[in-house]
Amino acid sequence: QSALTQPASVSGSPGQSITISCTGTSSDVGGFNYVSWYQQHPGRAPKLLVFDVTNRPSGVSNRFSGSKSGNTASLTISGLQAEDEADYYCSSYTSSTSYSSSITVIFGGGTKLTVL
Amino acid sequence: QVQLQESGAGLVKPSETLSLTCAVSGFSISSGYYWGWIRQPPGKGLEPIGSIYHSGESYYSPSLRSRVTVSVDTSKNQFSLRLSSMTAADTAVYYCVRGGRGNLFFDFWGQGTLVTVSS
Repeated sequence: QSALTQPASVSGSPGQSITISCTGTSSDVGGFNYVSWYQQHPGRAPKLLVFDVTNRPSGVSNRFSGSKSGNTASLTISGLQAEDEADYYCSSYTSSTSYSSSITVIFGGGTKLTVL
Repeated sequence: QVQLQESGAGLVKPSETLSLTCAVSGFSISSGYYWGWIRQPPGKGLEPIGSIYHSGESYYSPSLRSRVTVSVDTSKNQFSLRLSSMTAADTAVYYCVRGGRGNLFFDFWGQGTLVTVSS
């Protein structure tokens, strides 16, 4: 089970929009609509932002939106705010498992968002 | 509101076994969902360790399955992690989580507990 590929860092100015990519294969991102995104502030637990590619849990701002094209999923943050500065992780279901009782979720390596 | 709280030893000696427990409040484990563990080494990314369905079926990371056991105690509304033969590479923050539909995403997280492996 290989990790998904994310850029190490992205940056943007307040009010701008940024997009974080998450690239996998046809065995994970490209083959299923089970991509999730998490936000993690320093010293805090991750927080679920998006699940099933485009769905937001109750209480998550609509400034966060997810999409997918082929083997690449994306998280777009619009109207960038200072509090958006954090690490962002994508995850996906994977069909490449060694055992029937294996965990079927893999994560990306994370992207550090800096708000300039 | 679902809340999860990890407890257990924060310092483990090499070769020993880590034991952590996650107490769940605001939701009954026996009502459903998956319950699991994810870890994060200092400065690194997230790694799923294992999960258990409320009825007892367990699922593990292929790279850790030989050393991991996740169990559930519905009477106490808590679940546990045991990771044997600990090494320095197992030093990490360990989070307990609730797995959403089909364990495809993790919608509630504990605050995390730092486990250091050192003699």
